[in-house]
Amino acid sequence: EAQVTQNPRYLITVTGKKLTVTCSQNMNHEYMSWYRQDPGLGLRQIYYSMNVEVTDKGDVPEGYKVSRKEKRNFPLILESPSPNQTSLYFCASSLLATGELFFGEGSRLTVL
Amino acid sequence: GQQLNQSPQSMFIQEGEDVSMNCTSSSIFNTWLWYKQDPGEGPVLLIALYKAGELTSNGRLTAQFGITRKDSFLNISASIPSDVGIYFCAGQSFDRGSTLGRLYFGRGTQLTVWP
Repeated sequence: EAQVTQNPRYLITVTGKKLTVTCSQNMNHEYMSWYRQDPGLGLRQIYYSMNVEVTDKGDVPEGYKVSRKEKRNFPLILESPSPNQTSLYFCASSLLATGELFFGEGSRLTVL
Repeated sequence: GQQLNQSPQSMFIQEGEDVSMNCTSSSIFNTWLWYKQDPGEGPVLLIALYKAGELTSNGRLTAQFGITRKDSFLNISASIPSDVGIYFCAGQSFDRGSTLGRLYFGRGTQLTVWP
């Protein structure tokens, strides 16, 4: 089954404790992206990747890092999480950059 | 980033009614897309539009790519309870000097359908 898998789905952590949200897709998609969803603000792009070793900033990259060492994986790293990074995070992928995204089920992160 | 103005923010309708929502932008887009997010899940693509003036249907859903390339609308006919969710518009443009396609989302329309 074609899917985008994110882990963890839920996480409560404390300020400053590094964490990684993993994302994996099994569709051989070149394009992968991370979004955060906050009430009233819709989906805002954090980082995206056109292919292995090619990443670029989206609209809200501050406080986040990503890497794309393999085509299927695109982890989101929060080196020193802060409460304003409490949000619902979505990973998505698509064939090339068509805009026809497949989304994961989301990871709800709370930073205390 | 570019701003997409999606309206209305929320809608409360009775089962069987038709629904209309739209999205506008100050910038031109090459592609318009509409996604739906069910509670507790990730968004799912409903319709993708690639050409100005294009009108596309998917079951009870109809969407159009505006002639000016700065707007799009989505209509849902004869709504049913499972239409409940958040509907997002998204526009894709190609950054100047780059072939990368940036995708921008509207803030969403929360649809509630009463039986």
